[in-house]
Amino acid sequence: AQSVTQLDSHVSVSEGTPVLLRCNYSSSYSPSLFWYVQHPNKGLQLLLKYTSAATLVKGINGFEAEFKKSETSFHLTKPSAHMSDAAEYFCVVSDSFGGYNKLIFGAGTRLAVHP
Amino acid sequence: DGGITQSPKYLFRKEGQNVTLSCEQNLNHDAMYWYRQDPGQGLRLIYYSQIVNDFQKGDIAEGYSVSREKKESFPLTVTSAQKNPTAFYLCASSTDRGANYGYTFGSGTRLTVV
Repeated sequence: AQSVTQLDSHVSVSEGTPVLLRCNYSSSYSPSLFWYVQHPNKGLQLLLKYTSAATLVKGINGFEAEFKKSETSFHLTKPSAHMSDAAEYFCVVSDSFGGYNKLIFGAGTRLAVHP
Repeated sequence: DGGITQSPKYLFRKEGQNVTLSCEQNLNHDAMYWYRQDPGQGLRLIYYSQIVNDFQKGDIAEGYSVSREKKESFPLTVTSAQKNPTAFYLCASSTDRGANYGYTFGSGTRLTVV
């Protein structure tokens, strides 16, 4: 079965500095990978997805992630943090069961952005 | 605009009561899902449905029930058998039976036992 590990439960950055949220996955085949963002008391919004095309994936709001098969990683980055980026971020991997796919969520990383 | 609507946004339940959370989508998606979110635990799958009149248990189905009588609707009932129901509940849908394109989420219902 697939699984995903988010290496940091909390990350704190200053506004204007780079953001790095780390994610490792385990998979017996080439998976689909996603990053979602959740603002307080809101639903989840898809930031970006990797589905076996280009290994560097660009998403919304200036975020991007690089799929590295040799490291089984899918880290999320942004060159310059904005106050509005403060939220919880989930790394997600697809898994198959009984002929259907489902999404497996990491425990989340809470990003704080300071002025 | 197409999307998923969850209602109510906040719900309070007394001990021993059943409550039903609503989830409606107008995206013409076949598959729908219910997740429970607790602090520091990510999202856990309660039930999912790939087609009308069919649904399957997820990882934490005990104490919950669902129905899928219409493509657009997937209500979740939290029964009195659920011993710790206070949580944030999220409904989602997807375009196909696979998860290659990601899910669309509703804005959630926060359930509190009083």
